[in-house]
Amino acid sequence: AQRVTQPEKLLSVFKGAPVELKCNYSYSGSPELFWYVQYSRQRLQLLLRHISRESIKGFTADLNKGETSFHLKKPFAQEEDSAMYYCALAGDQKVTFGIGTKLQVIP
Amino acid sequence: DAGVTQSPTHLIKTRGQQVTLRCSPISGHKSVSWYQQVLGQGPQFIFQYYEKEERGRGNFPDRFSARQFPNYSSELNVNALLLGDSALYLCASMTGLNEKLFFGSGTQLSVL
Repeated sequence: AQRVTQPEKLLSVFKGAPVELKCNYSYSGSPELFWYVQYSRQRLQLLLRHISRESIKGFTADLNKGETSFHLKKPFAQEEDSAMYYCALAGDQKVTFGIGTKLQVIP
Repeated sequence: DAGVTQSPTHLIKTRGQQVTLRCSPISGHKSVSWYQQVLGQGPQFIFQYYEKEERGRGNFPDRFSARQFPNYSSELNVNALLLGDSALYLCASMTGLNEKLFFGSGTQLSVL
């Protein structure tokens, strides 16, 4: 069975502080991992995908197969980063989302 | 650039009724998937279709069914509605399986 765990439902950081949103997964095969973001009053949208290895809006995420993690990081939080963030795993003909982490950036 | 469209946006039903939700994918996308999202939870996978064939099913009862049409649009049907079916139902389209999801705005279903 595939599982995605986001241990924090809420993460509050000050503007300019580093951000790390945690995501751990359980999957027997080779995972396809994604981070999706939902800004206030907008639809869910892709933030980044592990195979692209690109930085979007200053965010990066590295797949660590040994620790089965795909944490999302940003060195300096901005107020516009406040949103819901979901980690997702695609595999075995299904997509599994984590419970989501609400990131609150305090001015 | 038309994104994924879902209809209706809101729906109120009573227990025992049946409901049909509709989704139109982005032009050129051949895969559609459906999700149920209750408050405070992440989206829960219901179905996935690619080229009009079911390519994945989540842990939902047989009251939930779906189909994809030749134009790649899709319908989600839920029979014998229960109070617990009240949720936001999201549709997403993809170019192919395991590709990035493009979400619609969802249908908010309330079962009274």
